[in-house]
Parts: sequence; C-alpha cells; structure tokens
Amino acid sequence: QKEVEQNSGPLSVPEGAIASLNCTYSDRGSQSFFWYRQYSGKSPELIMSIYSNGDKEDGRFTAQLNKASQYVSLLIRDSQPSDSATYLCAVPYSSASKIIFGSGTRLSIRP
Amino acid sequence: DVKVTQSSRYLVKRTGEKVFLECVQDMDHENMFWYRQDPGLGLRLIYFSYDVKMKEKGDIPEGYSVSREKKERFSLILESASTNQTSMYLCASTPWTGTYSNQPQHFGDGTRLSIL
Repeated sequence: QKEVEQNSGPLSVPEGAIASLNCTYSDRGSQSFFWYRQYSGKSPELIMSIYSNGDKEDGRFTAQLNKASQYVSLLIRDSQPSDSATYLCAVPYSSASKIIFGSGTRLSIRP
Repeated sequence: DVKVTQSSRYLVKRTGEKVFLECVQDMDHENMFWYRQDPGLGLRLIYFSYDVKMKEKGDIPEGYSVSREKKERFSLILESASTNQTSMYLCASTPWTGTYSNQPQHFGDGTRLSIL
C-alpha cells in the first residue's frame, strides 16, 4: 500500500461545477496535510494547509480532514479553466523532516 | 514570501559530464531537499539536508551526491551524467520548528535537465 494515495485521473469537471479531489494516507501519526497545485512544466505551488479535523475554507478552495479515516480532500467551487492542473496531496512523516507526496490527480475543467 | 532559487531553468549536458545544480533559499530554513519528477512517477526524493554539512539519502540517491557548505545553499551533483538522469529537478526547503511534520515545503521553479 502506498503511503499517500490519490486517484490519478484525469478528472474532468464542467466549468462552474465543484471539483472534488481525494487523498488517503497511512501514517496515523501525521499532523499536517498539504495540497499543492502544479501546472504543466511548472513547480508545485502550495494552495492549502490543514492541521485539524473538519473543514478549512480559503476562497473557492475547501480542504477537509478526517484523521480517524485517514482521509483528506480538496473541494474547488465554481471551477474555472485556470484550475486545470495536477493537484498533489502531501503528508509529512510524523517522525522525520520529510514529506510524502501522492502521485497527483490531473484535473481538467471543460468550458 | 519564501524564495527558493534554482540556478538554471533549462540545462543541456552530455553523458559522462559532471553536472552541478544549485539551489539557494532566502528564509534561513534548516531543511533542504532535492527531488526529480518524471511523468507517471511523481516526485521522488533524491537527497535532503537538515543542517550545514549534514545530508541523508532519499529514495533514489544512486548516481547523485549533494553538498551543503552554507545554510542557504544546497547543491546536487551528477557525478557522471547519464541519459536516464534526464528529468525535471526540483529543490525545496522548509524550516525546522522544534517538531517534525508541521511545515510545508516551498519549491524553486525547477531545472529541466537534458542529458544527450
């Protein structure tokens, strides 16, 4: 079992709809969870951090965390063509200064 | 804002050459990382450093070495470049806050390296 798992996609969502991206992780001791957006040919860009169970909202983005289920998700409301990118879920090791990245979900917003 | 600067965006080298990739961060971060990213394989950790002159192997260290002589600078060295090292190389940094695992990594723009 991979330590951080994401559906690779591609996930195709119509413009204006909600895109839902999911991630599961295996380290029960993990305390921090991050979502990165990566455009083709560019480096990953941090878009959300979440540390506590529940929802965290930032503009059109909402991160949801459920530590009991070892599950973190990212919702993008009112999806725009500019949201088309690969989204990486990242979970730091609980016992080292390293981060495990999921393989990413490719999101495509169709006009 | 954290600034991580990689010395080159694009680099073309020949097989057998010794290649240096440089990374500098301006936020006094203790931890620095080198990754490579290939289609379908995601981000793979090559080496990381948690202090000056300290280094640890990541998941794919073979064929690479690193140097950290100053806190702000972390260099990746391809001892004898091979075509299978053609890739996007990403440098990242994060601070040490007294505990593990609560800080995101900040990435440079990446270096697209081609070995001919």
